[in-house]
Amino acid sequence: QVQLQESGPGLVKPSETLSLTCTVSGDSVSSGNSYWSWIRQPPGKGLEWIGYIYNSGRTNYNPSLKSRLTVSLDTSKNQFSLKLNSVTAADTAVYYCARIVYKGNDLFDYWGQGTLVTVSS
Amino acid sequence: SSELTQDPAVSVALGQTVRITCQGDSLRSYYASWYQQKPGQAPVLVIYGKDNRPSGIPDRFSGSSSGNTASLTITGAQAEDEADYYCNSRDSSGMHVSFGGGTKLTVL
Repeated sequence: QVQLQESGPGLVKPSETLSLTCTVSGDSVSSGNSYWSWIRQPPGKGLEWIGYIYNSGRTNYNPSLKSRLTVSLDTSKNQFSLKLNSVTAADTAVYYCARIVYKGNDLFDYWGQGTLVTVSS
Repeated sequence: SSELTQDPAVSVALGQTVRITCQGDSLRSYYASWYQQKPGQAPVLVIYGKDNRPSGIPDRFSGSSSGNTASLTITGAQAEDEADYYCNSRDSSGMHVSFGGGTKLTVL
């Protein structure tokens, strides 16, 4: 059974960097059969795709976040990470990590439980 | 705003059939997949591809597609189906992922 778990600070100050890590079990982030994604959901709003990373390290980012975003892999720890810099209150959201497999579309088949990150001074 | 358009809210009487739709140009080229999200929980994949259900998803959930519109149908809606439903596919460029704005399903 694949499991994902987000971790990181729940409170970040405006203009600082939001950093989260997703620890994967039951699959390998080095696997070529899947890729690894971040999604967020502001309180009371819908899902927003943030970006994903392949086992090769190649990334694909939401154009609206690309200038502030870095997603990376740590294969030794079977983790992948998110860094979003220059945050504002608009970045307050529940952040999810998820596994994607491609079957005619990007399928988010396993999700972490989500972690709430609040941007506030 | 999302490149995939969903009705914000839909209601259905208990035991009846409801269709939730998702519109977007990319759906002419890519399948949609559908996610159910209940309050305080992570989304769960319920339909993908032409009409495929992951293991454990009841067969009252089905999917279809025509032109630029994908549909999720629940045949014989149950109280536990009350949730938010999101579609996802690629954006119009085909290069990035997009989620629909979500549909809140109420079971009356």
